[in-house]
Amino acid sequence: EAQVTQNPRYLITVTGKKLTVTCSQNMNHEYMSWYRQDPGLGLRQIYYSMNVEVTDKGDVPEGYKVSRKEKRNFPLILESPSPNQTSLYFCASSFRGAYNEQFFGPGTRLTVL
Amino acid sequence: GDSVTQMEGPVTLSEEAFLTINCTYTATGYPSLFWYVQYPGEGLQLLLKATKADDKGSNKGFEATYRKETTSFHLEKGSVQVSDSAVYFCALSEGGSYQLTFGKGTKLSVIP
Repeated sequence: EAQVTQNPRYLITVTGKKLTVTCSQNMNHEYMSWYRQDPGLGLRQIYYSMNVEVTDKGDVPEGYKVSRKEKRNFPLILESPSPNQTSLYFCASSFRGAYNEQFFGPGTRLTVL
Repeated sequence: GDSVTQMEGPVTLSEEAFLTINCTYTATGYPSLFWYVQYPGEGLQLLLKATKADDKGSNKGFEATYRKETTSFHLEKGSVQVSDSAVYFCALSEGGSYQLTFGKGTKLSVIP
């Protein structure tokens, strides 16, 4: 089954404790992206990757890091999480670029205390 | 920069009512336009898209027409069902772009 998986689905952590949210897709897509969803703000793009070893900032990259060492994986790293990073996070992938249909993961709900 | 404005919700309709969710956009070039839908507890999924002026995207009874003259991409459905209850997002991406810009979303609730 073609899908995008994220782990964990739910995470409660404390300020400053480094964490990683994993994202994996099995569709051989070149493009992957991370979004955060906040009430009243919709979805905002954090980082995206055009292909292996090629990443770029989205609209709200501060406080986040990403890497793309393999085509299928695109982890999101919070080196020192803060309460304003409490949000619902989605990973997405597409064949090539944001102008193609993006397939979204189920989401990761993160709470930073 | 690019932006998308969609009508604020929530919108509550009775089953079989007509639905319109307004969406207008600002873009520097000639974007592709999308409607994504998010069912409760799930990720987003593409509902329909249009890539050039006057294109009509359609899926599952939903339609939207790319209107360049009014920079709009309104979502319509003639007869909604309870199963259509979800959050609907209008979005755009400039040709060849790696960024997708979303509107804030409109929550639709359909009551029997």
